[in-house]
Amino acid sequence: QKEVEQNSGPLSVPEGAIASLNCTYSDRVSQSFFWYRQYSGKSPELIMSIYSNGDKEDGRFTAQLNKASQYVSLLIRDSQPSDSATYLCAVNMRDMRFGAGTRLTVKP
Amino acid sequence: KAGVTQTPRYLIKTRGQQVTLSCSPISGHRSVSWYQQTPGQGFQFLFEYFSETQRNKGNFPGRFSGRQFSNSRSEMNVSTLELGDSALYLCASSSWGGVRETGANVLTFGAGSRLTVL
Repeated sequence: QKEVEQNSGPLSVPEGAIASLNCTYSDRVSQSFFWYRQYSGKSPELIMSIYSNGDKEDGRFTAQLNKASQYVSLLIRDSQPSDSATYLCAVNMRDMRFGAGTRLTVKP
Repeated sequence: KAGVTQTPRYLIKTRGQQVTLSCSPISGHRSVSWYQQTPGQGFQFLFEYFSETQRNKGNFPGRFSGRQFSNSRSEMNVSTLELGDSALYLCASSSWGGVRETGANVLTFGAGSRLTVL
């Protein structure tokens, strides 16, 4: 089992729809979870962090964490073409480990 | 506040050569991590340094090495380059203080060094 797994995608949604990105992790004692966005040819940038079970909302983005299920998700509401990017799930274990990323395309 | 600076941004090497990449973290950050990103293998952890000490190392051969200086700047070196070493090498710094604690390890990435091995 990989340490951090994401649905491989690619994921394509129409503009205005909800995009759902999922991530599971293997280390039960992990306490910090992050979502990074990476545009093509650019470096990753942090968009959300979550540390407690439940939902955390920031604008159009909602991160969800379920430590019992070792599951993290990111919902993007009212998706825009500018949201088209690769989304990386990161989990703080002994060090920060990343999933392979899910490529999201939002079609106008 | 200056961000994370990586040099060089692009470089082309041939098999068997060696390469050194440099990373200057955000001022005040003492933790530096290195990652390799490729289309096939995705995002792979190389090493993490804190206060000149290597804290963790990923599953890479001994050809990959690194170090951190007293000013927190870090370098990584790849010797005897292979075609498969072609990748984007990303450095990230954080204000992590050496203790595993919630919220302490938010990474800020540099622009990366894109290495092509011919």
